[in-house]
Amino acid sequence: DAGVTQSPTHLIKTRGQQVTLRCSPKSGHDTVSWYQQALGQGPQFIFQYYEEEERQRGNFPDRFSGHQFPNYSSELNVNALLLGDSALYLCASSLDSARDTQYFGPGTRLTVL
Amino acid sequence: AQKITQTQPGMFVQEKEAVTLDCTYDTSDQSYGLFWYKQPSSGEMIFLIYQGSYDEQNATEGRYSLNFQKARKSANLVISASQLGDSAMYFCAMREGAQGAQKLVFGQGTRLTINP
Repeated sequence: DAGVTQSPTHLIKTRGQQVTLRCSPKSGHDTVSWYQQALGQGPQFIFQYYEEEERQRGNFPDRFSGHQFPNYSSELNVNALLLGDSALYLCASSLDSARDTQYFGPGTRLTVL
Repeated sequence: AQKITQTQPGMFVQEKEAVTLDCTYDTSDQSYGLFWYKQPSSGEMIFLIYQGSYDEQNATEGRYSLNFQKARKSANLVISASQLGDSAMYFCAMREGAQGAQKLVFGQGTRLTINP
């Protein structure tokens, strides 16, 4: 049973560029959430997708956008990259249930130069 | 206001000893869930244990147990018989609200180091 997978593992971009990160949820899961974890901090919620729609959003600018596909996989897009966007981006999947646990992928480490 | 507070930036424990990692939370919701995750240096967040706000018993998962004191709004993680592989960052997180609102709010984490 495959867990949550993310690609790429590492990414280096320059300021002003755009980036797309990908996530495949754990088998059977229908909800995908994205988190940003700056160095030395706890993860911060970016947004959550369910039924191909953004259901909930954290305090992140519109430069951060996403998508969920019919097979439940998801993409996170960040436009006009800033140095401060350098972080570990974590994807988590779960079932649409109040008691369900979010399971995380290995993350994508983004460095913006 | 901080919703999840972890007051121990770092903990150092001898192998085979028990360790308690502190977590306090703040919410006005009646329905919420509390989680502990382990993050090794590789970066992946590994789920350890869950406690629902309506659960009567403290959660246990192998060597992990959650000391849930609802009136004090605390949810401390207890690791029994610590092992060298337990060295990692540990995060407490809370999910508020009913079905469909699954946003997790994390604390700042505690770095646990197990000494041989």
